[in-house]
Amino acid sequence: KAGVTQTPRYLIKTRGQQVTLSCSPISGHRSVSWYQQTPGQGLQFLFEYFSETQRNKGNFPGRFSGRQFSNSRSEMNVSTLELGDSALYLCASSFTSVSSGANVLTFGAGSRLTVL
Amino acid sequence: GDSVTQMEGPVTLSEEAFLTINCTYTATGYPSLFWYVQYPGEGLQLLLKATKADDKGSNKGFEATYRKETTSFHLEKGSVQVSDSAVYFCALRPWTGNQFYFGTGTSLTVIP
Repeated sequence: KAGVTQTPRYLIKTRGQQVTLSCSPISGHRSVSWYQQTPGQGLQFLFEYFSETQRNKGNFPGRFSGRQFSNSRSEMNVSTLELGDSALYLCASSFTSVSSGANVLTFGAGSRLTVL
Repeated sequence: GDSVTQMEGPVTLSEEAFLTINCTYTATGYPSLFWYVQYPGEGLQLLLKATKADDKGSNKGFEATYRKETTSFHLEKGSVQVSDSAVYFCALRPWTGNQFYFGTGTSLTVIP
């Protein structure tokens, strides 16, 4: 079956712009989590969505937001981009909410954002 | 709070050498533990997992045992191959909670 699909794979923006990243989970998976990966900070949790509801949010400013649609596809948005937002943004899906058991996260290949 | 600490890299080994990557965790209750692997240009892939104390996860020759008494989940492989070159992440999912916690990753390079 198809894996987790993230688009776009690469993008370049300038400071102050905004960006929207998309994630299509594995068919049947209802939970989507987002992570930011940088060389200095490693993997940091952004948020999790389950059945169109945000279940948990990491320690990121309000410029980072997300949503989930009825087909479980998710988008995340970063407004007023800063140089420090340059990172690999990873999306992961799971069958049920992360809170409901020993779920396994299945990751997409990521969207690499460069802010100039 | 919950956290994972894993051994700093990078690690460079010759083919067929023995691999150990140390991972310790801090968590209350009974977390589930995972090892993920990231190959260049790709996302993370689940390598193995263990959901309770003394469980041993294994896959592709890699093993890790959930040791509650030492709060550890060290990754081992008896004979590494060049194709094992990647970044390895230890992770935990708390007993209750809505997120996974990842270590900082350990880069492994295996040379022929």
